[in-house]
Amino acid sequence: DAKTTQPNSMESNEEEPVHLPCNHSTISGTDYIHWYRQLPSQGPEYVIHGLTSNVNNRMASLAIAEDRKSSTLILHRATLRDAAVYYCILRSGYSTLTFGKGTMLLVSP
Amino acid sequence: DSGVTQTPKHLITATGQRVTLRCSPRSGDLSVYWYQQSLDQGLQFLIQYYNGEERAKGNILERFSAQQFPDLHSELNLSSLELGDSALYFCASSDVTDSEQYFGPGTRLTVT
Repeated sequence: DAKTTQPNSMESNEEEPVHLPCNHSTISGTDYIHWYRQLPSQGPEYVIHGLTSNVNNRMASLAIAEDRKSSTLILHRATLRDAAVYYCILRSGYSTLTFGKGTMLLVSP
Repeated sequence: DSGVTQTPKHLITATGQRVTLRCSPRSGDLSVYWYQQSLDQGLQFLIQYYNGEERAKGNILERFSAQQFPDLHSELNLSSLELGDSALYFCASSDVTDSEQYFGPGTRLTVT
C-alpha cells in the first residue's frame, strides 16, 4: 500500500483555520485520499475523501495538489471539539483502511 | 452517534479465557469490519465481512475468529487470551459502496 506522511502534532487556536498536511508521494492513480479523525475515547469518524478535485463538506475541505502527491485537510474554524487525531489514508477501490499514526491536533481556547 | 452499536463496553477477563464481542451495523449496511487499537500497535484492521461472507483479512491472530449472521450483526471471538490482547476493539460498517466506514464506540478488553 502507498504510504502517507503526517506531522506528529499540530496546534491551533479556537476559531482559527487549521491546515493539516499529508504527503503521499507514491500515490497511485486509483488511490482515493481519505481522512478520518478520532476524538478522545471514541471510535474513528469519517471526515472527507477525494480523488483529484478539491472537496468540501459540512465538516471540512480537502485540497489536493495537482500532482496528487500531497493533500491538505482544512478545518475552516477550529473548535475545542475538533481536538483529535487526524488520519490521512490512501484507499484503492474496496481495499481496507490502513491507519498510520496520524496528526494529533491540539486546540487552545 | 454513528449508528453502530457494540457490546459490551468494557470486559475484564483472565488469561486463557474466551470472550465474544458483538457488533450491530448501521441499518442497511452490509459490510462489517473489526479493528484492534492498542498503545503500541495503533489501529489495526483485523477482518471484514460482507453480507455474511468473509471479504478481507488483516492482522488477525489464529486465536481470533469472527462471523456475520443473517441479520448482519457480527461477533468477534477471542480465545486463549493473553495479556497482550488487552486493547480497544472497534467495529465499523459501510454500505455497498464501501466509500466510508462508520465506527462504533468500541469495546475495551482488559486481560489480567
